[in-house]
Formats: sequence, structure tokens, C-alpha cells
Amino acid sequence: QVQLVQSGAEVKKPGASVKVSCKASGYTFNDFYMHWVRQAPGQGLEWMGWINPHSGGTNYAQKFLGRVTLTRDTSMSTAYMEMSRLRSDDTAVYYCARDSGRDNSGFDLWGQGTLVTVSS
Amino acid sequence: DIVMTQSPDSLAVSLGERATINCKSSQSVLYISNNKNSLAWYQQKPGQPPKLLIYWASTRESGVPDRFSGSGSGTDFTLTISSLQPEDVAVYYCQQYYSAPLTFGGGTKVEIK
Repeated sequence: QVQLVQSGAEVKKPGASVKVSCKASGYTFNDFYMHWVRQAPGQGLEWMGWINPHSGGTNYAQKFLGRVTLTRDTSMSTAYMEMSRLRSDDTAVYYCARDSGRDNSGFDLWGQGTLVTVSS
Repeated sequence: DIVMTQSPDSLAVSLGERATINCKSSQSVLYISNNKNSLAWYQQKPGQPPKLLIYWASTRESGVPDRFSGSGSGTDFTLTISSLQPEDVAVYYCQQYYSAPLTFGGGTKVEIK
């Protein structure tokens, strides 16, 4: 079964870090870029960046440069999103999403989402 | 950054009637090299992740009912639900895939009248 399964909800204090995992199954992990998208409560979708699982190469939205790190473990078919210096406005559901692999044609597979709550 | 503007913010449509959602990009998302628009549409139901409906502005993803259709080119795009069904109640987002940062529209909430 082709799926992405993310780690569970997190509660963090301001200034802390969080690392969310996204385990892929049912397809060749290395063959598809992985994106990360977040959604604040009641808000829209915000793209954070992508990682090329094959090479480890990354591309980040300017907003997240220096505070977000995307990595992967190919042996585990798992992608990770780590965010540091958390603030209350980082409270959101974080999704991993697979690039379709067709030129510029969207994200065809999504994880179930991981709620990260930042609160003192 | 390419700004994606959706309209309306919400709409209520009777069952079986047509729903039309618009999306405008601040610059063209048409790739001249392959003549494809880097524009996707997603459906998001409460408590669920988004689901890809349409890519390249008008190509339906596998398994998506044919009552969903996309049209447009360059900077102006439309998602049409030809005959609204109860299961279509959701928020719909457009997304440009032309250049990073990839950006989404603000969303359109579709409800039953």
C-alpha cells in the first residue's frame, strides 16, 4: 500500500526544536522528491521546502531558511523535518507530501499530518 | 514570489448544481517549453490532508470523478464541479508549481445551499 505515515503530535515550548518524521512505503522512496507543507489552525497551506531523497539536495522557502532542516534516511525510507527556535505562530499541522514525479504537476500523496503545538 | 488569488472565499451551491472557483496567479505559470500550465487543484475535507484533483491546469488525477474539471491558461484558471454532490463539501486550493517558493491560493470553501 502506497502511503506516507507521519510521527505523532508534539507539544513544545517556545524556543525549543521539533523533528517530524515521514515514513514512506509501497513505492521507491528515492524516486520522488518529498515536500513539506504546513497549515496553521483554520488557515491555508504554506509550502516549506523539498528534499531530493536520492541526493539529499534541498530547497527551502526563504521564510524558513536557517530554521528548518530537511533530511532523509534512505535505509528507513523516511524523511524528516526539523524546526528550531519554535514560536507560538509555528503551531500548525505539518504535512509531508510526495512530488508526483510528473513535471511540475503537484503533490499526489500526503501524510496524515502532524500537529505541532507551541505553548508555554 | 508568485501570488495566487482565489475567488470567492466561499460559495454555497444546491445539490446537482454547478460550482465554479477561480484562481489568478500574479504571473504566468505556463511553461513555453512543453506548453503546460504548472497549476494544480486540491480538495481538503475537515481533518484530512489535501487531495490532488487536477494537475497541469486541466488533467484529472487518476480516480477523480469526471464532474471535476479544470480550465484556463497563463494567469487565469477555473475549477468547475459540474453537479455538486454531498461529498464535495470541502475547501479547494489552487497551487502554482512554476517556481519556488511553491504557493497556494487562500482556499475556497464549498458548501451545500
